[in-house]
Amino acid sequence: AQKITQTQPGMFVQEKEAVTLDCTYDTSDQSYGLFWYKQPSSGEMIFLIYQGSYDEQNATEGRYSLNFQKARKSANLVISASQLGDSAMYFCAMREGRAAGNKLTFGGGTRVLVKP
Amino acid sequence: DAGVIQSPRHEVTEMGQEVTLRCKPISGHNSLFWYRQTMMRGLELLIYFNNNVPIDDSGMPEDRFSAKMPNASFSTLKIQPSEPRDSAVYFCASSLLAAGEQYFGPGTRLTVT
Repeated sequence: AQKITQTQPGMFVQEKEAVTLDCTYDTSDQSYGLFWYKQPSSGEMIFLIYQGSYDEQNATEGRYSLNFQKARKSANLVISASQLGDSAMYFCAMREGRAAGNKLTFGGGTRVLVKP
Repeated sequence: DAGVIQSPRHEVTEMGQEVTLRCKPISGHNSLFWYRQTMMRGLELLIYFNNNVPIDDSGMPEDRFSAKMPNASFSTLKIQPSEPRDSAVYFCASSLLAAGEQYFGPGTRLTVT
């Protein structure tokens, strides 16, 4: 079974609007972490935001926020006020319990294209 | 501050040749990861090290692949002999053991003809 599922292969968003990227995960661990990375066309992987399973508040970093719904096992990324530079692939990733070390499992990604 | 450094950035080689990819992690980081990214398989973890010790190499595709980390500031991923199906972007990433987020290098784009 897939541990990280990103069901949206691609999406368009209008500049200055908000966009939500879906991510669901599967784990039996109580302690885990969820991450989002951005990969622009230049190819580098850029860390965006982190949410720990015990964090009570949703993580935020500037225009990025993580909508964490533990019972649903979802960790959606919200990008507010989209900019042209937000056009990229976005990957959701999970680190399971401490026994797994810092190993991350990545989803298949969602390609976002921001339209002017 | 310097990020993760990888070399070469691009490598084109012929089938059967040995390929060595190099990585310098962020100073002070004690976990290092090697990933491979292809269109078909996405981003796959090949191997990772904690404090220079290999912890999990279950993602290494076969014996042609080997990785070493002789010290805290250097790691190599070697493919011998290389095959066309090894063509991919290979990323190195590093992190602190106590934290979770990994910081990626720019990647090495490998083409095996």
